[in-house]
Amino acid sequence: GQQLNQSPQSMFIQEGEDVSMNCTSSSIFNTWLWYKQDPGEGPVLLIALYKAGELTSNGRLTAQFGITRKDSFLNISASIPSDVGIYFCAGRYNNNDMRFGAGTRLTVKP
Amino acid sequence: EAGVVQSPRYKIIEKKQPVAFWCNPISGHNTLYWYLQNLGQGPELLIRYENEEAVDDSQLPKDRFSAERLKGVDSTLKIQPAELGDSAVYLCASSRDHKETQYFGPGTRLLVL
Repeated sequence: GQQLNQSPQSMFIQEGEDVSMNCTSSSIFNTWLWYKQDPGEGPVLLIALYKAGELTSNGRLTAQFGITRKDSFLNISASIPSDVGIYFCAGRYNNNDMRFGAGTRLTVKP
Repeated sequence: EAGVVQSPRYKIIEKKQPVAFWCNPISGHNTLYWYLQNLGQGPELLIRYENEEAVDDSQLPKDRFSAERLKGVDSTLKIQPAELGDSAVYLCASSRDHKETQYFGPGTRLLVL
């Protein structure tokens, strides 16, 4: 079953607002990944993090690999309508398989 | 470069019927994954192939599920017989090798009535 706790489960925000979501685990990981899934499509990789404390940006998205290696955060600045979708975190330890969170469903109101 | 291709995109069947899903990975990707995604959940791994060898099938319900990747390229996932609880999205992903980034296909949405 799922080992990652992702929160919040859903968010309803106004266009232009910033968004923060996070993922926590009872186990340590040495890779954290953030995916976005649009309706009817498969997940698409947004950001990958490989080192504790690492802060990585991809346009308006910024993600951080927590110091404890048990958590990660994703921030979206100045949200736009196309940011709508489900955001998944995924963790990986060494060459083990990825474990996914249950997702954060983001709705952006114009 | 073409992405991961899956077919069919949607399938509706009656319980106890068989069903098969097909996946064509990105060219050159040796590792292929099948995931199950239940409504409101993240993907969960069913099976991983390295070329034609199934190296991790511990989460595959072997009483009714089977998979193959005969020539180390395309793969087929089969359910026989399907049960109501099998209604979900079945995602295929591929990567150059197990350490590299996984790219997902659009998924097959299965509804068992």
